Amino acid sequence: SQKIEQNSEALNIQEGKTATLTCNYTNYSPAYLQWYRQDPGRGPVFLLLIRENEKEKRKERLKVTFDTTLKQSLFHITASQPADSATYLCALAKGNTPLVFGKGTRLSVIA
Amino acid sequence: KAGVTQTPRYLIKTRGQQVTLSCSPISGHRSVSWYQQTPGQGLQFLFEYFSETQRNKGNFPGRFSGRQFSNSRSEMNVSTLELGDSALYLCASSLSPDPLIQYFGAGTRLSVL
Repeated sequence: SQKIEQNSEALNIQEGKTATLTCNYTNYSPAYLQWYRQDPGRGPVFLLLIRENEKEKRKERLKVTFDTTLKQSLFHITASQPADSATYLCALAKGNTPLVFGKGTRLSVIA
Repeated sequence: KAGVTQTPRYLIKTRGQQVTLSCSPISGHRSVSWYQQTPGQGLQFLFEYFSETQRNKGNFPGRFSGRQFSNSRSEMNVSTLELGDSALYLCASSLSPDPLIQYFGAGTRLSVL
């Protein structure tokens, strides 16, 4: 069955640095990959979507890459701020199938 | 535009009881999905409804059921509650099935004692 791994449960970085989160998957060929942000006590919030034929997507300080050969996506937050502290989830899907979520990486940006 | 609304926000039940959770999607969204989130298993898909029809179902026992009404509002029901059903239940709506970009509610925190 498909498996998604976000290889860090928690990541601590200094304010102003670039945070890089990883999402790896196996036994799956997704049509697209999404990243969500979840704050404590709240539902996830959609951030970015990248399709299988796209290598990179940017939105403000966020950048996502998608390597279907390595079966990996990298999620970057540049010039990180304490307000970026949250849990980040990656999710995969193809066609009309349900999203499959990773367990998330808890990012803490330290001032 | 109002977001996804879930009620109630918190619920405490005892083993063996049943529970019904409610979800109002974003206006115009016809797809509603339900997820269970626990610290150990993460976010797991329960089922998805589109135009009152269940389109996809996750790997959960038959005690978990749902339905969608003609106004796209949805309910999920869990019968014969077990301790392991304690979790955050999230509802999400989507404008389109492909790509399925999910807009989540704040969730219902269910505690089974």
